[in-house]
Amino acid sequence: SQELEQSPQSLIVQEGKNLTINCTSSKTLYGLYWYKQKYGEGLIFLMMLQKGGEEKSHEKITAKLDEKKQQSSLHITASQPSHAGIYLCGADTAGTASKLTFGTGTRLQVTL
Amino acid sequence: GAVVSQHPSWVICKSGTSVKIECRSLDFQATTMFWYRQFPKQSLMLMATSNEGSKATYEQGVEKDKFLINHASLTLSTLTVTSAHPEDSSFYICSARRTGGGGTEAFFGQGTRLTVV
Repeated sequence: SQELEQSPQSLIVQEGKNLTINCTSSKTLYGLYWYKQKYGEGLIFLMMLQKGGEEKSHEKITAKLDEKKQQSSLHITASQPSHAGIYLCGADTAGTASKLTFGTGTRLQVTL
Repeated sequence: GAVVSQHPSWVICKSGTSVKIECRSLDFQATTMFWYRQFPKQSLMLMATSNEGSKATYEQGVEKDKFLINHASLTLSTLTVTSAHPEDSSFYICSARRTGGGGTEAFFGQGTRLTVV
């Protein structure tokens, strides 16, 4: 099985709706990184979580890391077309802080 | 924030030729850089870890003679796809971590799309 599972694989939401993307690791996380990617382009860093129970927000995006440090969620409030893209979670399970294992990604479409 | 630049952004080459991709950290030093590969609609797969001044560490299943990595300075790592074939067509992306300074964020380049015809 995958070391890092991301769900859902794809998501279509109406503009203004909220959504949540989940990332579950089979190993304890030293760090969990959330990135956004537009197809064929580089990754845009969103947030990094390290401590159990940690929660960070930036504009309308909130990410949480559970107490056991094996699951993270990314929540977007009042989605906009600009939120469309591929969201990837990257896990540091070795403590190297930059050698990351990536989830399969969640493709988000926001309809008008 | 820190910037990682990849060059070229895209390249088309003939089958059998070699292609070099550069990854530069523009405003910080990076002892270690990472090379990933991404197939269409799939996630990033780590290919190798590039270490300044020493040999790269390759992930299982990645041919080191096929994908040559050189990390000659603290700001530059190169990936050379040798004797490229159509199945090597993919999106290649590098990342770098700032050396020292306590930073833990991984900075990614903008990626290189390789098409082998």
